[in-house]
Amino acid sequence: SAVISQKPSRDICQRGTSLTIQCQVDSQVTMMFWYRQQPGQSLTLIATANQGSEATYESGFVIDKFPISRPNLTFSTLTVSNMSPEDSSIYLCSVNRAGGYTFGSGTRLTVV
Amino acid sequence: QKEVEQNSGPLSVPEGAIASLNCTYSDRGSQSFFWYRQYSGKSPELIMSIYSNGDKEDGRFTAQLNKASQYVSLLIRDSQPSDSATYLCAVSAAGNQFYFGTGTSLTVIP
Repeated sequence: SAVISQKPSRDICQRGTSLTIQCQVDSQVTMMFWYRQQPGQSLTLIATANQGSEATYESGFVIDKFPISRPNLTFSTLTVSNMSPEDSSIYLCSVNRAGGYTFGSGTRLTVV
Repeated sequence: QKEVEQNSGPLSVPEGAIASLNCTYSDRGSQSFFWYRQYSGKSPELIMSIYSNGDKEDGRFTAQLNKASQYVSLLIRDSQPSDSATYLCAVSAAGNQFYFGTGTSLTVIP
């Protein structure tokens, strides 16, 4: 399965600031996915990132709040902008390999 | 909105028993079905995938799929304390879109 390096692993941020999360995959993939997992909840897809095109956002998520970059086939970033305490969550990147999703180790974000 | 339903639990079983985890889904077009294990504070880990009706066995794990009933289950035989985790059911239709259930918390009591 794919090896995905995600950083930072955790951060505590002030409200109103932004945090950029990085995700590096060990081989080329067409699509990368960004998920959010709020405390005690399951995973919710934020957006799908394709190299060379705009990310596709799911209902309830917008580009201004969660801008995504996908500069090449092994790397993507997700920015959480103008943060509020409601953005406190775990953010996960993922790729689809060999019949299943593989997840990065996650970024635990706390907004104070 | 595609729905994937799981009993949240918690489910408690004694060590050595069979743990049975269940999942139903709403989209009849779903084609691929997955079970993930998530330890507290960790990211989900894929443990089983199943694509056709029937049973699929992998070690102590058996996934069962019934597309007519829109039902998928995971059986864990000889449950161990290390199996204590949250188990997430995931369903995928065409287009690589995955939908996750809310997860079932399993505790194996030594």
